[in-house]
Order: sequence, then structure tokens, then C-alpha cells
Amino acid sequence: AQSVTQLGSHVSVSEGALVLLRCNYSSSVPPYLFWYVQYPNQGLQLLLKYTTGATLVKGINGFEAEFKKSETSFHLTKPSAHMSDAAEYFCAVRSYSSASKIIFGSGTRLSIRP
Amino acid sequence: GAGVSQSPSNKVTEKGKDVELRCDPISGHTALYWYRQSLGQGLEFLIYFQGNSAPDKSGLPSDRFSAERTGGSVSTLTIQRTQQEDSAVYLCASRDGTSPGELFFGEGSRLTVL
Repeated sequence: AQSVTQLGSHVSVSEGALVLLRCNYSSSVPPYLFWYVQYPNQGLQLLLKYTTGATLVKGINGFEAEFKKSETSFHLTKPSAHMSDAAEYFCAVRSYSSASKIIFGSGTRLSIRP
Repeated sequence: GAGVSQSPSNKVTEKGKDVELRCDPISGHTALYWYRQSLGQGLEFLIYFQGNSAPDKSGLPSDRFSAERTGGSVSTLTIQRTQQEDSAVYLCASRDGTSPGELFFGEGSRLTVL
């Protein structure tokens, strides 16, 4: 069974500071991993994804995430936060099976302090 | 439009009534998902359709919930005898069955049960 745990339902950082949003997953088989973002009053959109190959993946708006199999983690980072990064971020996992559901974490709300 | 379309965008109903929520996925997308997003609860998986395969209904919270997908395209989520705890935003997403997994989300249907 697959599951996703996002540590911290709310993270607040200062503008220009490092953003780190944590995600740990559980999967019995190698996973596909995703981060989605939901800006206020907007639908969810893909931020980045890990499928195979390079474990450090880059997404939109300067975000990146690193797949660490030994730690079963897929933490999201951005070196310097911008006010426009304020949003809800969701980590998601799907197994390699072609017919498998995608499970989301409970989300982390990111706030940016001026 | 080319995106995922959901209707109605807002639905207010009385406890005990039945409701139907509709999802029109992106043309050609073989995979379709329903999720429920409650305040502070993240995305809860409900049901997943993949092509002509039997749907994965493992996330449906009770037998009051059902969904169907006609002709491999439009899907309807039905909630019978609605309860106040069913109040939430119901999100539909579709995916190209050949890809590792980017989901394209609709804007959601906000259900309020009085």
C-alpha cells in the first residue's frame, strides 16, 4: 500500500529565505513521486515529478526536489522564497504499475513573511 | 476548452438529498480520478478509472458514494442521502494513460450540505 506523509501542515519563512517542505512516502515498489501546488483560489498544478533517472529534479518557479530512496523522502526546496510562492503544496506518490492510483499527502501551507 | 471541466461549480443541498457531480476529462485521457478536499484535510482519494478496467473504488468512504464513467469519457460521482460531513470540494483529474503521471485537475465542485 502506498502512503505519503508531509511533515508540517503550515510552514512560514521570510522572503529570501530557504524553503524546505518535507515529504516521506511508503511504497512496496519503486514509486513515481510528484509535487503539486495550489495557489489561492486556483486549481492544482504540477510543480515537478520524479519518474526514473536523475534523483534531483527541477520544477517550475525555481523549485527542486531530491528523491532519496534510502530515506524514502522527496523533500521540496527553493533557495530563496518569493512572496508569490505562498500556496498549498501537496506531495503525491504512485507505484510503477500502469493501473495504480495516485495518493496525495495532507498538504503543507507555505506562508511568506515580508 | 481543453481542460478538465466540472459541474456544478457550487452545489448547496439539504441533508438527505442525492447529488450528482459531473466531470468531463481532457479528450483522449484514459485515466480519471476523483478526490475530495476538505478544509485542512488534504486530498482524499475516492475512485480511479483506467480505460476499460474495473475501477479502483477503494477510497469511497461509504456505500452512499458511487461513480461511473460512460464511454470512457464523462464521469459522474453520485452521493446518496447526503450528510453534513460530505461537505467538501470534489476534484476530478485526468491523465494521459501513457504518461508516468501528470494529473490535470478541474476547478472542483464545492458541495455544501445544510
